[in-house]
Amino acid sequence: GAVVSQHPSWVICKSGTSVKIECRSLDFQATTMFWYRQFPKQSLMLMATSNEGSKATYEQGVEKDKFLINHASLTLSTLTVTSAHPEDSSFYICSARGVGSGTNIQYFGAGTRLSVL
Amino acid sequence: GQQLNQSPQSMFIQEGEDVSMNCTSSSIFNTWLWYKQDPGEGPVLLIALYKAGELTSNGRLTAQFGITRKDSFLNISASIPSDVGIYFCAGQLNTGTASKLTFGTGTRLQVTL
Repeated sequence: GAVVSQHPSWVICKSGTSVKIECRSLDFQATTMFWYRQFPKQSLMLMATSNEGSKATYEQGVEKDKFLINHASLTLSTLTVTSAHPEDSSFYICSARGVGSGTNIQYFGAGTRLSVL
Repeated sequence: GQQLNQSPQSMFIQEGEDVSMNCTSSSIFNTWLWYKQDPGEGPVLLIALYKAGELTSNGRLTAQFGITRKDSFLNISASIPSDVGIYFCAGQLNTGTASKLTFGTGTRLQVTL
């Protein structure tokens, strides 16, 4: 199956700092990438959808200035949590879909656990 | 956002038993997917279903796309300890690049020896 690599897997930062998470499709070109947030014992909640070369589309209630998404190439998308605060602590998961990844299938990265002190 | 109703919420079963879980929606989907998530990991695709009525197997796993296109079920036969995890269903409308997944609430599976 298609492989999506997410980095880092775990990050601890001080309140007020910014954190960047990378998501790469390793063996296919991701025309669309998705960013999710997951709280303990809950399902995945979509934050935003990004198409390569376009601005991301954010879900209702997600602050676009807080969660900056860049999808500059067909294999890389980044999520930057700006001025992070403890309430931003969560499990962030990226997903990618595109040519060569199967019929309209989304494949997921391993997730990034963010802890803001 | 919308979530699909998944049942049961959790299951505690003995090794070797069969497992059945289902997912229902108030709206139709053109694709149903089943994922498994281990603790601290991202979801891993188990089975994808593309046609109403389709029955697909992947090893000990079998999933069906409901005729009404509003539901799907997943069966696991002869469960083993590594089946432990959270199982999520997801529906997709396939409306081009804008299509996105709607996830179920998840079924947490515990397997005892």
